[in-house]
Amino acid sequence: GQQLNQSPQSMFIQEGEDVSMNCTSSSIFNTWLWYKQDPGEGPVLLIALYKAGELTSNGRLTAQFGITRKDSFLNISASIPSDVGIYFCAGQTSGSRLTFGEGTQLTVNP
Amino acid sequence: NAGVMQNPRHLVRRRGQEARLRCSPMKGHSHVYWYRQLPEEGLKFMVYLQKENIIDESGMPKERFSAEFPKEGPSILRIQQVVRGDSAAYFCASSPLTGANYGYTFGSGTRLTVV
Repeated sequence: GQQLNQSPQSMFIQEGEDVSMNCTSSSIFNTWLWYKQDPGEGPVLLIALYKAGELTSNGRLTAQFGITRKDSFLNISASIPSDVGIYFCAGQTSGSRLTFGEGTQLTVNP
Repeated sequence: NAGVMQNPRHLVRRRGQEARLRCSPMKGHSHVYWYRQLPEEGLKFMVYLQKENIIDESGMPKERFSAEFPKEGPSILRIQQVVRGDSAAYFCASSPLTGANYGYTFGSGTRLTVV
């Protein structure tokens, strides 16, 4: 089946630093999504990307849909303590099922 | 305007018992999806349902697992004769129309522990 390789697995940064994480796949996706999951909660959608090459921002978050449609990255600028959590990429081809990456655990030291 | 409601939040079952997980989609959403998350892993698709129909169950184990979304009431994910390997967080999501393009809202999950 389809697989997403998400990296890095974990990051430890200082408050105020910028963060970058990415996902790659051997398969093409039509939609890329980035979610954040807090402990004990479900994933919350951060950014959705629908077109190859698309660059989208949501506050301090910026994400891009790769030209090849096989990759995406998420940047967080000027991190703050509440950015702590697990970030997941997810891709969708056709139909409704999402394929999730394994997550990036972000720790922000104040 | 309630979100996707899942209950119970935590469920403990002994091996061999049945587990029933409930999901009430957001108001106006007629599409429901179930995902499973093992510790320190991403979510894995299990099943996609519309009212009274299973659309895609390709991610669901063939045995012991079943799902339904009746005309009235919540969607139910049922696991019969649970085993330790079923311990996981089970998340439900809903959308108004098919596809993530229309918004995919997740519930807070049910954490199943099999002892």
